[in-house]
Amino acid sequence: QQQVKQSPQSLIVQKGGISIINCAYENTAFDYFPWYQQFPGKGPALLIAIRPDVSEKKEGRFTISFNKSAKQFSLHIMDSQPGDSATYFCAASKDQTGANNLFFGTGTRLTVIP
Amino acid sequence: DAGVIQSPRHEVTEMGQEVTLRCKPISGHNSLFWYRQTMMRGLELLIYFNNNVPIDDSGMPEDRFSAKMPNASFSTLKIQPSEPRDSAVYFCASSDRGGRLYNEQFFGPGTRLTVL
Repeated sequence: QQQVKQSPQSLIVQKGGISIINCAYENTAFDYFPWYQQFPGKGPALLIAIRPDVSEKKEGRFTISFNKSAKQFSLHIMDSQPGDSATYFCAASKDQTGANNLFFGTGTRLTVIP
Repeated sequence: DAGVIQSPRHEVTEMGQEVTLRCKPISGHNSLFWYRQTMMRGLELLIYFNNNVPIDDSGMPEDRFSAKMPNASFSTLKIQPSEPRDSAVYFCASSDRGGRLYNEQFFGPGTRLTVL
């Protein structure tokens, strides 16, 4: 059973546009929500993360929006660039329980067209 | 630091053969994770260790898979016997639990396994 559901599976955006990827979860014990970015032939790497005590976190062109009541969070990439073309994974974990394993979404393949 | 090191980077083997994948975590990290990535199933956690002790192996698909971590700087994932459906990219990741609230996982480059 997928603990974190991610959509869309793939996304094509024009250069300069906004890319939006959505994730949803059910387990209210989750308290840490990172996004990982993976380029072809490479392992995933942490992009940005949020804790549920804030509703938004921004780092450069990347923003996480978090809706605790809806149990949803999303990644927004502003001014999308061809170099952003990669697969993006949302994830969740239960840090406070001491368990540090991540539950990953199924990934979104983003293509930014020049 | 060289990051997480995995070997081999590519492995092609025949069905029925034993396959051993190796991982060296980042020095000082005390958690190690093995993942499998396929187009159909995405990124699946197979097993993870804290302080060399297996914590959760519920993701290991079947008895043909086994993982060990004999010391803090080395882990293996073994498949015996291998089957074509085991073909995937296997990632190792490590993190430092050290009392931190955030547990960033650092992934290795992966091993691409092809079972013919």
